[in-house]
Amino acid sequence: GAGVSQTPSNKVTEKGKYVELRCDPISGHTALYWYRQSLGQGPEFLIYFQGTGAADDSGLPNDRFFAVRPEGSVSTLKIQRTERGDSAVYLCASSLRAGVDTQYFGPGTRLTVL
Amino acid sequence: KNEVEQSPQNLTAQEGEFITINCSYSVGISALHWLQQHPGGGIVSLFMLSSGKKKHGRLIATINIQEKHSSLHITASHPRDSAVYICAVKEGAQKLVFGQGTRLTINP
Repeated sequence: GAGVSQTPSNKVTEKGKYVELRCDPISGHTALYWYRQSLGQGPEFLIYFQGTGAADDSGLPNDRFFAVRPEGSVSTLKIQRTERGDSAVYLCASSLRAGVDTQYFGPGTRLTVL
Repeated sequence: KNEVEQSPQNLTAQEGEFITINCSYSVGISALHWLQQHPGGGIVSLFMLSSGKKKHGRLIATINIQEKHSSLHITASHPRDSAVYICAVKEGAQKLVFGQGTRLTINP
């Protein structure tokens, strides 16, 4: 079946602009995770959803970052007033059940803030 | 917060060589993941293990919970194994803490 998909694959924006990054998890997966990967580094946890609710948002760096999953499927990561330091690959993953099942990763969205 | 360290950071070997990548962590965990990331970003989960050893094809992963250490081995390495290998530990119920990755290059 279809894997995790993310759109757009690349996003270039200017400092101060607002961006939305979308993640479509594998159908039926209840858990969804957002990670951020800077160049040459391993991914860093941002936020995790169980169903519609954000079960753990401790990785969000500040209040410019927000994520939603209103119907328990598709999720959107929203970044306000983007800064150059936000440039990274944003990865989404989903798993059938939280904590016990393998996480399947999407291809990522490469965000560049000029 | 768990500190996850991988070694080496970069590894270049000849086709056919036996490869070992190491991962150590600072706080006790319930599970450890090994992931493979190819150029272009796609991440694939290779193993999730909480004790002992797992094998899949030419890949073997081991974990020693007491020593807080895991190893990923590749037998009969091949150029298509070239990728970044990432170790990640489960912190709390769900959150993964990742190592910085090991860049493996297998030359023909």
